[in-house]
Amino acid sequence: SYELTQPPSVSVSLGQTASITCSGDKLGDKYAAWYQQKPGQSPVMIIYQDAKRPSGIPERFSGSNSGNTATLTISGTQAVDEADYYCQAWDSITYVFGSGTRVTVL
Amino acid sequence: QVQLRESGPGLVKPSETLSLTCTVSGVSVSHYYWSWIRQPPGKGLEWLGLVYYSGATKHNPSLMSRATISIDTSSNQFSLEIASVTAADTAVYYCARGLGTDGYNSHFDFWGQGALVTVSS
Repeated sequence: SYELTQPPSVSVSLGQTASITCSGDKLGDKYAAWYQQKPGQSPVMIIYQDAKRPSGIPERFSGSNSGNTATLTISGTQAVDEADYYCQAWDSITYVFGSGTRVTVL
Repeated sequence: QVQLRESGPGLVKPSETLSLTCTVSGVSVSHYYWSWIRQPPGKGLEWLGLVYYSGATKHNPSLMSRATISIDTSSNQFSLEIASVTAADTAVYYCARGLGTDGYNSHFDFWGQGALVTVSS
């Protein structure tokens, strides 16, 4: 079965840039989406089709996908960005989610 | 606006069947793909399966055919049943709207608030 691997945690200082990676075999040949989940809340899609932002998602969130790695970048990280982040792709049989990354804002 | 709401028993006994319904408002279920996703306490997200308005379904093989997903277009609802549950099925269950299974549109833009289902005697 297809797997997506993320680092368990990422720490970032307030106002700095955070990068979260998502690795999978030939992931660059697929389309990646990213979701933000805060404690006790449902996931919210923040990036789709590798790099597109839904309406209402701040511009500080951006995405890229090439080779075996998709990357979510948070520029000028704010305290409200502290959350769990999940990548997701479709492997022609199932939707697959990454293991999740907890972002801590210092 | 599009809203999804899960409903069903919060407690199920081991070996019995878990049943949940997702009520959709703001859009007809006769469009898009409708999925169930779960999250065990403190863990990540797992896609369980989807249903299309025609009744066609796709399932995650990890559930070993225990899951049944159906749709009721007249009520604008879709449902999930998982048979022979164990403690490992304890999770928050989300329903979500998907835009396709072509890769390009294979993401979830609207989610329900989630329903905690505990499997315990």
